[in-house]
Amino acid sequence: EVQLVESGGGLVKPGGSLRLSCAASGFTFSSYSMNWVRQAPGKGLEWVSSISSSSSYIYYADSVKGRFTISRDNAKNSLYLQMNSLRAEDTAVYYCARQKWFGESDAFDIWGQGTMVTVSS
Amino acid sequence: QSALTQPPSASGSPGQSVTISCTGTSSDVGGYNYVSWYQQHPGKAPKLMIYEVSKRPSGVPDRFSGSKSGNTASLTVSGLQAEDEADYYCSSYAGSNNLEVVVFGGGTKLTVL
Repeated sequence: EVQLVESGGGLVKPGGSLRLSCAASGFTFSSYSMNWVRQAPGKGLEWVSSISSSSSYIYYADSVKGRFTISRDNAKNSLYLQMNSLRAEDTAVYYCARQKWFGESDAFDIWGQGTMVTVSS
Repeated sequence: QSALTQPPSASGSPGQSVTISCTGTSSDVGGYNYVSWYQQHPGKAPKLMIYEVSKRPSGVPDRFSGSKSGNTASLTVSGLQAEDEADYYCSSYAGSNNLEVVVFGGGTKLTVL
């Protein structure tokens, strides 16, 4: 079964750090670009960051640039998000999502169940 | 404020059709055929319903269809069923030179009356 499982969320104080992980199974992880997408409580989806299959291309949303770092370990079938200098507005459920190329475009075809990050004093 | 504009709500009775719009700019929706739509039930992860403007992944009912005209994409749900009640989000590629590579709409809550 194709599956993504996030972990690492929790409660952290403003200015603190947290590292999220996403474990992939059921597919060839090293062949896909991966993404983090977040959703603040009661709000819509917000793209956070993406990383290509070999980590050659990395992109960030302007709201997290300079504070968050995306990485992956293809040998461990794992995706990571290092979050530093956390702010209250980073409070959200964080989803990892597989980016599938469909031939002429791509989309996020597999999503994890999400991990909650709460930034509060 | 979301990069793509969707109506906050839409509704229809069982069996009817409803269309949800998603308006962007020539830098995202209008510039690429990378429009996708996601369905999200409360407390659940999003699910891909439409990719490349109008194509359905395997397993998505053909009641769901997508289209695009200029800077506006649309999702139509025909033959509404109770299980279609959910939040729907559009998304578009916005180019790697932009501040945001991928942009989402604010979401539309679809109610089946």
